Amino acid sequence: QQQVKQSPQSLIVQKGGISIINCAYENTAFDYFPWYQQFPGKGPALLIAIRPDVSEKKEGRFTISFNKSAKQFSLHIMDSQPGDSATYFCAAGGAGSYQLTFGKGTKLSVIP
Amino acid sequence: DGGITQSPKYLFRKEGQNVTLSCEQNLNHDAMYWYRQDPGQGLRLIYYSQIVNDFQKGDIAEGYSVSREKKESFPLTVTSAQKNPTAFYLCASALAGGTYEQYFGPGTRLTVT
Repeated sequence: QQQVKQSPQSLIVQKGGISIINCAYENTAFDYFPWYQQFPGKGPALLIAIRPDVSEKKEGRFTISFNKSAKQFSLHIMDSQPGDSATYFCAAGGAGSYQLTFGKGTKLSVIP
Repeated sequence: DGGITQSPKYLFRKEGQNVTLSCEQNLNHDAMYWYRQDPGQGLRLIYYSQIVNDFQKGDIAEGYSVSREKKESFPLTVTSAQKNPTAFYLCASALAGGTYEQYFGPGTRLTVT
């Protein structure tokens, strides 16, 4: 089974700080890497996604960094806010399939 | 208001009973998916369908069944054969044809006692 390994499992960040969540994948045929944000009791919402032809993508305070040679990608949340407190999932997809393989999630808590 | 709807939000059943979870989308998406979410386990794929009247097993299909008779609907039946059915169930859809962006519904929390 293709895996996506996500770390850390939980993260506590001060308001205004930078939150960093990392993911590593195995299948080099993956060509789509999204991040989802999930609040308690809700469905995940697509936050930002990247393709391997770029090394970085930024949308507001959220940035994905992608390292193809290391098979790693990460989510950076700048100026973290208490409203960012949620569980974040990375995923990988492509390789001729419409399936996504998800990491196990990171619970982020941003404290005032 | 376009999107994915799942009903009910909470569902309680007795052990040994089959139960069907509803998923409807009005996004005109071709592909639909069912995931199971357990604490600390991420999202695990149960079944997916890329076109009407066709579906494939995911990683944890045992004890579940689906149908795809209409493009808008992809109901999931949790059968009595599923050993640990209590979980949060999520439905998602995607516009097929080379895109992988999946959009999720609000989920159904199933509790079996």
